[in-house]
Amino acid sequence: AQRVTQPEKLLSVFKGAPVELKCNYSYSGSPELFWYVQYSRQRLQLLLRHISRESIKGFTADLNKGETSFHLKKPFAQEEDSAMYYCALRAGSARQLTFGSGTQLTVLP
Amino acid sequence: NAGVTQTPKFQVLKTGQSMTLQCAQDMNHNSMYWYRQDPGMGLRLIYYSASEGTTDKGEVPNGYNVSRLNKREFSLRLESAAPSQTSVYFCASSEDTYGYTFGSGTRLTVV
Repeated sequence: AQRVTQPEKLLSVFKGAPVELKCNYSYSGSPELFWYVQYSRQRLQLLLRHISRESIKGFTADLNKGETSFHLKKPFAQEEDSAMYYCALRAGSARQLTFGSGTQLTVLP
Repeated sequence: NAGVTQTPKFQVLKTGQSMTLQCAQDMNHNSMYWYRQDPGMGLRLIYYSASEGTTDKGEVPNGYNVSRLNKREFSLRLESAAPSQTSVYFCASSEDTYGYTFGSGTRLTVV
């Protein structure tokens, strides 16, 4: 069975500093990876997917199949980036996603 | 566009009571899901419906039942609520292999 691990429950950085939220996965096949974000008292929303290779709100993530990782990065954190971030995996042709336990990011002024 | 609508937003139940959480989507998505969100455990899949007329168990189905009433609606029922079911419940829908659209959640407390 597949598994998604986010090793940091809490992460604090200062405004303007780089930020990296870690995500590791275990899955024997070819996965599809996502990052979701939940701002305070809002619903979860899709931030980015590895297939799109896009940059949303300055965030990027690269799938590293050798290290089975999909870390989320931003060079200069902003206070409005403070939120809960979830990494998620879709295994093969399955429709359902497996989520990690989440990382609460706080960007300090 | 409403997207995914969940009702109610908040609910307090006594142990042993039953209730149904409602979810409806207006995006003509085939697949719908129910997750629970607990601190330190992330989102765990309870049940999902890949298409109208089908439902499957997820990671934590015990104590729950679901009904895919039609393409739009997917309800989650707690037959006899327990304190361990205190959680935030999220409904989501998706089309093919794209990402999910989530509802705003139901915060359930069982006392």
